[in-house]
Amino acid sequence: AQKITQTQPGMFVQEKEAVTLDCTYDTSDPSYGLFWYKQPSSGEMIFLIYQGSYDQQNATEGRYSLNFQKARKSANLVISASQLGDSAMYFCAMREVRSGNTPLVFGKGTRLSVIA
Amino acid sequence: DSGVTQTPKHLITATGQRVTLRCSPRSGDLSVYWYQQSLDQGLQFLIQYYNGEERAKGNILERFSAQQFPDLHSELNLSSLELGDSALYFCASSVALAGTSGTSYNEQFFGPGTRLTVL
Repeated sequence: AQKITQTQPGMFVQEKEAVTLDCTYDTSDPSYGLFWYKQPSSGEMIFLIYQGSYDQQNATEGRYSLNFQKARKSANLVISASQLGDSAMYFCAMREVRSGNTPLVFGKGTRLSVIA
Repeated sequence: DSGVTQTPKHLITATGQRVTLRCSPRSGDLSVYWYQQSLDQGLQFLIQYYNGEERAKGNILERFSAQQFPDLHSELNLSSLELGDSALYFCASSVALAGTSGTSYNEQFFGPGTRLTVL
């Protein structure tokens, strides 16, 4: 069964610094997708970035990049030049690609606090 | 704005009651997912519908049921409510083609959620 582990319940980062949020996963399916979502205090889930298991390059979206290490089964999120608005919960999730769209499995999340 | 709408935004009710949460997916999305986010269990998948039919079931209690209507909106019914059912309930939608495999990227767009408080 697929599983996502986020070992950092909380993280602090200075404004303008970079921060890495850890995520490891477990699956027996060779074809899967990894996602990161941001949940600010208002509660909505905001999609940030996606990495496919067969993607050769690490995904990047603006200040977000995904450090994908397939052999280690890790998919860490890197946020560069942190901003106060980055303070939120961050969830790593995965989806196996067996037959169409399967549901997402989420980690417990990491609460990021950006300090001025 | 993800394009997924959920009503109501907040719901306060008493134990033993029954409530209905409503979700309208993004235009063109055929798949609807329901997730529950609680403090102790985190974000958990409840149930998925595709084009009106149940597609996958997660940790959904027997007291809970859902359906997807011909216009693709979905409703999640929660009955015999308990204090522990207090949570944020999300609906998400995605484009899903029947029998699609190997398509690794189909983002799920989340609605704003319904916060249920059971007193």
